[in-house]
Amino acid sequence: GQNIDQPTEMTATEGAIVQINCTYQTSGFNGLFWYQQHAGEAPTFLSYNVLDGLEEKGRFSSFLSRSKGYSYLLLKELQMKDSASYLCATLDSNYQLIWGAGTKLIIKP
Amino acid sequence: ETGVTQTPRHLVMGMTNKKSLKCEQHLGHNAMYWYKQSAKKPLELMFVYNFKEQTENNSVPSRFSPECPNSSHLFLHLHTLQPEDSALYLCASSQGAGANVLTFGAGSRLTVL
Repeated sequence: GQNIDQPTEMTATEGAIVQINCTYQTSGFNGLFWYQQHAGEAPTFLSYNVLDGLEEKGRFSSFLSRSKGYSYLLLKELQMKDSASYLCATLDSNYQLIWGAGTKLIIKP
Repeated sequence: ETGVTQTPRHLVMGMTNKKSLKCEQHLGHNAMYWYKQSAKKPLELMFVYNFKEQTENNSVPSRFSPECPNSSHLFLHLHTLQPEDSALYLCASSQGAGANVLTFGAGSRLTVL
């Protein structure tokens, strides 16, 4: 079957660095997305990786290893506004999005 | 207004009621989606419309009935719902289906009593 695993909840301190992991097992692979969702708001696009390696976008970076079925989202210089849920999703061979249950990130002062 | 707008933001209904959720996008996108989001569960794709044609129906019970009159508007008609249907219903749009970024609305929080 198809499966995405990510931690349910993580806690980090303002100003620190946090890494949110996502492992996947899907029928084929056409890329991996990360979305951010603040409570009561729409999910918003953060990144898309289809090739192995690290892509940096300001304080946020996303990494992909296709051979390991693994991705992570790295958040640096954490700010209180980074408190949100982070959703990992992969595109399978039929270009269907397979979603993880999301990781709730709590930032403490 | 820009982006994806959903109304109402909150809805409480009894099991015998009929109500509708509305979604509107002002992005010129061709594809629109309905997702169900329950606490601590992955997003569940319900319906996909591409150029107003339904291309996906993920075994959704018939008490949920979608309607897409044009590429900018999407409705979800609700009838005889069950308490387990209580969830956040998210609408999204994209420029075509496939490996395209989804733009989501803020959702309609549905409570079925």
